Amino acid sequence: GDSVTQMEGPVTLSEEAFLTINCTYTATGYPSLFWYVQYPGEGLQLLLKATKADDKGSNKGFEATYRKETTSFHLEKGSVQVSDSAVYFCALSGDYKLSFGAGTTVTVRA
Amino acid sequence: EAGVTQSPTHLIKTRGQQATLRCSPISGHTSVYWYQQALGLGLQFLLWYDEGEERNRGNFPPRFSGRQFPNYSSELNVNALELEDSALYLCASSLFRKVHNEQFFGPGTRLTVL
Repeated sequence: GDSVTQMEGPVTLSEEAFLTINCTYTATGYPSLFWYVQYPGEGLQLLLKATKADDKGSNKGFEATYRKETTSFHLEKGSVQVSDSAVYFCALSGDYKLSFGAGTTVTVRA
Repeated sequence: EAGVTQSPTHLIKTRGQQATLRCSPISGHTSVYWYQQALGLGLQFLLWYDEGEERNRGNFPPRFSGRQFPNYSSELNVNALELEDSALYLCASSLFRKVHNEQFFGPGTRLTVL
C-alpha cells in the first residue's frame, strides 16, 4: 500500500538557518504529493503541492520538488523565522485519501 | 470564502459513551474525509463520504461510523468509547472530481475519553 517516510524530528534551528525535511514515498501509480503544516493548537494547512514528476511546489519561501526517480519530495526553506515553528507533514494522495508521514516538529529560536 | 468548520472544539466523554462530531465542508465541495490524529500514532484516515455515500474506510472498527447529509455536511459517530479513542479528529473536504485530491482541513475536534 501507499506509505510516506519522513525525517524524524524534532528539529531545532536558529533564525535565518536553512531548513530541509526529507520525505520519501512508496505508491502505485502517479500520486500527487503535498506538504501540510500544523501550527500549535490548529488543524492542518496546505503548504504546497506537486502533481507530477519534476513539478516544484512553492509557498511562503518553502519549496519541494517531485522526484520520481528517487521517490522523494524534500521540503526546503532558505531562511527560517520563528513563525515557521510548527509540525510539518508530508503526504501523498492515493485512492482518494491522503497518506501522511509521521510529522516533523520544527522549532526556530530567535 | 469560509473554510471547513468543525464542532464542537472540545468534547469530553467517559468510557462506553457515544460521541458525535460534526463537520461542514467548504461551499461547493462534495467530499468529506475524517482523520484521527492520536498521540504517537500520527494521522490516520478514517472515512470518506461523497454525495451522501461512504466511499472508503480506513482500518478502524465498526463502532466508528458516520454519514453525510444532503447539504454535504457530515457527522462522525464513535460508539462504545474507549480510552484510546482520545485524539484530535480532523475533517477535510475536497472536490471529488478534482483529480489531484487537494484536501482542506478544519481546525479539528479534540475528543478526550475519561
